[in-house]
Amino acid sequence: DTAVSQTPKYLVTQMGNDKSIKCEQNLGHDTMYWYKQDSKKFLKIMFSYNNKELIINETVPNRFSPKSPDKAHLNLHINSLELGDSAVYFCASSPLDREGQYFGPGTRLTVT
Amino acid sequence: GDSVTQMEGPVTLSEEAFLTINCTYTATGYPSLFWYVQYPGEGLQLLLKATKADDKGSNKGFEATYRKETTSFHLEKGSVQVSDSAVYFCALRTPGAGSYQLTFGKGTKLSVIP
Repeated sequence: DTAVSQTPKYLVTQMGNDKSIKCEQNLGHDTMYWYKQDSKKFLKIMFSYNNKELIINETVPNRFSPKSPDKAHLNLHINSLELGDSAVYFCASSPLDREGQYFGPGTRLTVT
Repeated sequence: GDSVTQMEGPVTLSEEAFLTINCTYTATGYPSLFWYVQYPGEGLQLLLKATKADDKGSNKGFEATYRKETTSFHLEKGSVQVSDSAVYFCALRTPGAGSYQLTFGKGTKLSVIP
């Protein structure tokens, strides 16, 4: 009965590789997000999808591309990985009101 | 734009001490306010929220009151436990068409020692 799930939990890969992180929510929420958390715990929003439409696209490199096959899923594809991409990536979802966001457990990406 | 300012950490307290983590905000309109907690190695969990002025959010012994006049949402707990050791994030969300983004503070790390 996990609300927001992400896979994988850990991802270790080499520079230049392409990888994907999957996210699914079973809360029936309309909006999903991707955040990046750096080593100092600072959270930065990357993308947001509302009913499969991109509504926020912060200034992230175009090597990052979100894909939402349906309202319950928002996957993150990363091409040509770089050392600076190493971080924890969190998926989240929220309803369309004044409620907060519900976060997944995170994916720790390490690029070597 | 919207912003959230939290007190700098880390904060170290002895068990059963009183906790206050300050949070102030700048926002247009009337935001909803949140506190999130991140335990080591885990994702963020919604701790409490308040959606309008003078609302008090509470959960697990933690409380925060939405103060519009001082634009603050300070987190308090009367008696902390070792299990409260975590990073705490204050956040706001300004409702409105096309505005679904949460704005987070930088987080405050709390360590509680026995």
